Amino acid sequence: GAVVSQHPSWVICKSGTSVKIECRSLDFQATTMFWYRQFPKQSLMLMATSNEGSKATYEQGVEKDKFLINHASLTLSTLTVTSAHPEDSSFYICSAGRGSLGRRTGELFFGEGSRLTVL
Amino acid sequence: QQQVKQSPQSLIVQKGGISIINCAYENTAFDYFPWYQQFPGKGPALLIAIRPDVSEKKEGRFTISFNKSAKQFSLHIMDSQPGDSATYFCAASARKTSGSRLTFGEGTQLTVNP
Repeated sequence: GAVVSQHPSWVICKSGTSVKIECRSLDFQATTMFWYRQFPKQSLMLMATSNEGSKATYEQGVEKDKFLINHASLTLSTLTVTSAHPEDSSFYICSAGRGSLGRRTGELFFGEGSRLTVL
Repeated sequence: QQQVKQSPQSLIVQKGGISIINCAYENTAFDYFPWYQQFPGKGPALLIAIRPDVSEKKEGRFTISFNKSAKQFSLHIMDSQPGDSATYFCAASARKTSGSRLTFGEGTQLTVNP
């Protein structure tokens, strides 16, 4: 099946620093990727939709200047948490659909997630 | 309008039993209903999905039942095994209007006792 890879799987950083998380579709092209945030024992909360070659679409309440998203190629989207603070500590997960087939079927493949801990 | 309500929040089943998780939705534009399985510290994995033109889909021990008029769908896990212990999320998307953008339920933590 399709594989979506995230890196790093976990990261610890100091408050005030920026952290970049990568999301790659390994065996298919993804014009759209989604970024989610998940707190312990809670559901996935959609943060933004990453569109290849254009600006990301952010959900209401998500600060676009704090969570920078770049989708520079059909296989890579990055999420940068800028000036991270302890309240940004969370599990960040990306997902991608398989191009036009994904849009037609609705099927999404998820990465393994990235655990961010801000000290 | 966009919410998907999931119940129960947690479920404990004995090995060999049937696990049933229910979801309900309001948005009639939803036309794709997947279920995801998530283990601790991992991303969700697609388990099984259904479209509204069928009332039931079965894959191995996993069955989705879909009731379009009631706007409800459920996941049945037959012969539940300890390895099935995980968090299960239902989801829905409206492919024509929102593409593959998913709305998730709140999740159900399933524990299968040996």
